[in-house]
Amino acid sequence: QVQLVESGGSVVQPGRSLRLSCAASGFTFSGYAMHWVRQAPGKGLEWVALISYDGTNTHYADSVKGRFTIARDNSKNTLFLQLNSLRADDTAVYYCARDDYSINSGGYYNDYWGQGTLVTVSS
Amino acid sequence: EIVLTQSPATLSLSPGERATLSCRASQSVSSFLAWYQQKPGQAPRLLIYDASIRAAGIPGRFSGSGSGTDFTLTISSLEPEDFAVYYCHQRSNWPPGGTFGGGTKVEIK
Repeated sequence: QVQLVESGGSVVQPGRSLRLSCAASGFTFSGYAMHWVRQAPGKGLEWVALISYDGTNTHYADSVKGRFTIARDNSKNTLFLQLNSLRADDTAVYYCARDDYSINSGGYYNDYWGQGTLVTVSS
Repeated sequence: EIVLTQSPATLSLSPGERATLSCRASQSVSSFLAWYQQKPGQAPRLLIYDASIRAAGIPGRFSGSGSGTDFTLTISSLEPEDFAVYYCHQRSNWPPGGTFGGGTKVEIK
């Protein structure tokens, strides 16, 4: 069965860096684009970043552009998110999610999500 | 950026009752809309995609409808495990990952 397991979250001071990982299993990881989505405590969901199946294309939310970097290692079935210049408003649970394609509409949706990893930015 | 507005913010109902949740887009998203359920401490779970197609393993009491700017998620008869927060999500337009609605909490009356 599809499994996504995030790790790497911790308490970090403002301005510091952190790297999150998402280990994928149960499907052909190299065949799917992947996302990071975050959720601040008690708040809604916010899309963060997207990477194509082969890692050649990436996209970011304006709120993280220039500070966060999404990457993947298809040989290790692992997705990454490098978080630099962290701010208090980056405090959130970070989820990785698989991108899937609808043959019905040609659209895309996130069909599987990990359990998330908590990043707390505080001095 | 397309803004999704969900209403009501909170819905107080009893088990067995019908729940009707609304999601309105600031501009047309065609049928590129999904619904997710999230319980406390858990990841979102895909319920509906393409506005009306149930995801694998989702019970028949969940149904979605709508197109363009107005969408509805209906739970025909609430089970105890359905009390949760529900989010709509569009992938029609920029940004590539789409935008989410603010959520509707379905709570036990």
